[in-house]
Amino acid sequence: DAKTTQPTSMDCAEGRAANLPCNHSTISGNEYVYWYRQIHSQGPQYIIHGLKNNETNEMASLIITEDRKSSTLILPHATLRDTAVYYCIVRSKIKAAGNKLTFGGGTRVLVKP
Amino acid sequence: DVKVTQSSRYLVKRTGEKVFLECVQDMDHENMFWYRQDPGLGLRLIYFSYDVKMKEKGDIPEGYSVSREKKERFSLILESASTNQTSMYLCASRPAGSGDNSPLHFGNGTRLTVT
Repeated sequence: DAKTTQPTSMDCAEGRAANLPCNHSTISGNEYVYWYRQIHSQGPQYIIHGLKNNETNEMASLIITEDRKSSTLILPHATLRDTAVYYCIVRSKIKAAGNKLTFGGGTRVLVKP
Repeated sequence: DVKVTQSSRYLVKRTGEKVFLECVQDMDHENMFWYRQDPGLGLRLIYFSYDVKMKEKGDIPEGYSVSREKKERFSLILESASTNQTSMYLCASRPAGSGDNSPLHFGNGTRLTVT
């Protein structure tokens, strides 16, 4: 799987949008971009994923650049409960390889009142 | 909502003991996974299973085995626990057949300490 690079940490003001960048410059054509988050003392929680097009769901939006070498996760109105470690990973569409998810260090997001 | 339940949140075991970590999911998912999470190393895949009685080694299977006798249950076994197996263990599941882009659903983890 392609390696991803994320900032170690970032702060965000409650109620404002949080924009979390991720670099995946070695991504290949058969790899999806996934975002998960992990709140303290819990297992990782799926947020969103995409291949080429921008995606939006009830939790967040995912913007993928045209060359697919980077992406941004947007939390539109951050709340205190969004404080977590956010992981950007790329995952192969190939069945066997796609099970070997590699989570790097992630971005530790602190939402402040 | 998918629920993945790990039987224990915290376990303390002695070196050399045989340890069983249990995971149950309630959504009839075919695929189940065991990861361990360590500071600075992220999540690493230990074993996974595509179906009942099927198992595949992940990236770090040494010192572990697994059992999948029923679809909903996936057990991780430490045959002889060692201190370097002190870690957070995470179980996950996902459905098969809905495309290989289906996300993983994780349990809340078991923090194992081996003394």
